[in-house]
Amino acid sequence: NAGVTQTPKFRILKIGQSMTLQCTQDMNHNYMYWYRQDPGMGLKLIYYSVGAGITDKGEVPNGYNVSRSTTEDFPLRLELAAPSQTSVYFCASKQQGYGYTFGSGTRLTVV
Amino acid sequence: GQQLNQSPQSMFIQEGEDVSMNCTSSSIFNTWLWYKQDPGEGPVLLIALYKAGELTSNGRLTAQFGITRKDSFLNISASIPSDVGIYFCAGQLRGGGADGLTFGKGTHLIIQP
Repeated sequence: NAGVTQTPKFRILKIGQSMTLQCTQDMNHNYMYWYRQDPGMGLKLIYYSVGAGITDKGEVPNGYNVSRSTTEDFPLRLELAAPSQTSVYFCASKQQGYGYTFGSGTRLTVV
Repeated sequence: GQQLNQSPQSMFIQEGEDVSMNCTSSSIFNTWLWYKQDPGEGPVLLIALYKAGELTSNGRLTAQFGITRKDSFLNISASIPSDVGIYFCAGQLRGGGADGLTFGKGTHLIIQP
């Protein structure tokens, strides 16, 4: 039982490049989330999904896109990377009424 | 968006000391959660609180959900070296938590030998 798996663990992007951060969970959780964490700050919600085919914006969605074609996968897409998107990205999942399980994060640097 | 004020920002303590940290909010939350984050890892849930006034323990950790539903505190008794890390409070506005958590900025706990 792997829980929440994020890939890659580290990535360096040039300004204007695009990339997809992968997140998959094997717990059959309906709810999935993407957060970003900046130095000295708590996590901020980017996007979330309450089930396959349903996504919604969180607090800081600008510059990102998501999709949820299956229960297991919730990829986060950056289309035109900017230095302000340098951060650590965490994916999480939960089932209604239960706690969140977080992945170990993707550290992204945009130069 | 919602704001959680977590204090203190950092703590430097001796091994064996007790620790106390708290979170306050201008909004009412239905659930309060406390997480610990180790370097290079995601947050791990320590304690979840679901009712105003609730006091819950997990080993040496004790947390309370404030009566006003706008605050929570976490105590750690007899600290040990593995307690080092960043502690986050998080609030959940709605039951079920479909729309995610609001996090405090964290309390960085450092234990001096």
